[in-house]
Amino acid sequence: EDQVTQSPEALRLQEGESSSLNCSYTVSGLRGLFWYRQDPGKGPEFLFTLYSAGEEKEKERLKATLTKKESFLHITAPKPEDSATYLCAVPETGNQFYFGTGTSLTVIP
Amino acid sequence: GAVVSQHPSRVICKSGTSVKIECRSLDFQATTMFWYRQFPKQSLMLMATSNEGSKATYEQGVEKDKFLINHASLTLSTLTVTSAHPEDSSFYICSAPGGFNYGYTFGSGTRLTVV
Repeated sequence: EDQVTQSPEALRLQEGESSSLNCSYTVSGLRGLFWYRQDPGKGPEFLFTLYSAGEEKEKERLKATLTKKESFLHITAPKPEDSATYLCAVPETGNQFYFGTGTSLTVIP
Repeated sequence: GAVVSQHPSRVICKSGTSVKIECRSLDFQATTMFWYRQFPKQSLMLMATSNEGSKATYEQGVEKDKFLINHASLTLSTLTVTSAHPEDSSFYICSAPGGFNYGYTFGSGTRLTVV
């Protein structure tokens, strides 16, 4: 069965302390890996799509990378406003998404 | 960019009543809409896929008669929770493919509390 696993489940960082979030997947025939940010009580907000191993994308303090088995979301010098749950997802059949359980990030001032 | 408007954002209803949640694609046509449920500290679980002009497809374990989905137009999909019970309390989110290369667009979610 295809699986998407995220780690850690929760992460607390001091402001400015860089770190990485992991998303490992076992889907066959990857048709893209998506990263989303979700704030409490809101729907997920699209961040990145990665399609092939070696691909990297950046947005402000975030950089997403992809290998054949996993993706990393690197957060450089995070700020309190980066606090959120970060979800990764991969498409399944019929345009459905299979979501990981997310990493809850808290950045402490 | 693609925007999906979801209403209401919060609703409290009495046990046994029905609640309707609407999702509208504002600047694009959504022939398909996905409905998710999310429990606290858990990820999104797909409930059903609605298709404009045809019957919705439900995931295994989701009661079709309890969660009625209607996708009557290219811009509107509705989810009605019928005879709601406290265990139906959850966060419901819709999503539409507004452009695959840019990710699917999600509504802002509806917090349903059944008392």
